Amino acid sequence: QVQLVQSGAEVKKPGASVRVSCNASGYTFTGYYMHWVRQAPGQGLEWMGWINPNRGGTNYAQKFQGRVTMTRDTSISTVYMDLTRLRSDDTAVYYCAREGSGDFGYWGQGTLVTVSS
Amino acid sequence: QSALTQPASVSGSPGQSITISCTGTSSDVGSYNLVSWYQQHPGKAPKVMISEGTKRPSGVSNRFSASKSGNTASLTISGLQAEDEGDYYCCSYAGSSTWVFGGGTKLTVL
Repeated sequence: QVQLVQSGAEVKKPGASVRVSCNASGYTFTGYYMHWVRQAPGQGLEWMGWINPNRGGTNYAQKFQGRVTMTRDTSISTVYMDLTRLRSDDTAVYYCAREGSGDFGYWGQGTLVTVSS
Repeated sequence: QSALTQPASVSGSPGQSITISCTGTSSDVGSYNLVSWYQQHPGKAPKVMISEGTKRPSGVSNRFSASKSGNTASLTISGLQAEDEGDYYCCSYAGSSTWVFGGGTKLTVL
């Protein structure tokens, strides 16, 4: 069965960087785009971007360009999301989500990133 | 990219039907048959309920249906059950390999 397992919660200071990982299993890792979606406390879902695990191509929401980098390691079926220059409003649960037939059919469990001085 | 517009909340009694709207623009909802809908319970990851505009993934109850007219997509839940309570989000492809979510709707089953 498809599983996306994310890394644990992080606490960071403003200005720092964070890396969240998402390990995929139960399917061909390089066959599906992986997206990152975040959700601030009590707020809605926000699409951040995607990575093509096959070739490594990426596309980011304009809001995050220059601060976000998505990479992958095919040898361990893992994608990474790096976010730099963290601010307090980056405090959120970050999800990886596998794209399917025009939807996000599988989601990781979420990773809480707290940005606080 | 502006978020798609959803009502903040809707409510209904068990057995009733409710509809949640999702209004975008001619650049997203209006241009593509790639609207999906997600259900989210507190503390849980979202779950896809509708994909590609109207398709129900395997395992999703047939009480969930969706449609689109112009720039507005709609999710209808018939025969409301207590377990349907939660937050619902629409999502649309927005061109240029980008996606946009709605602001979310809190469904309360009275």
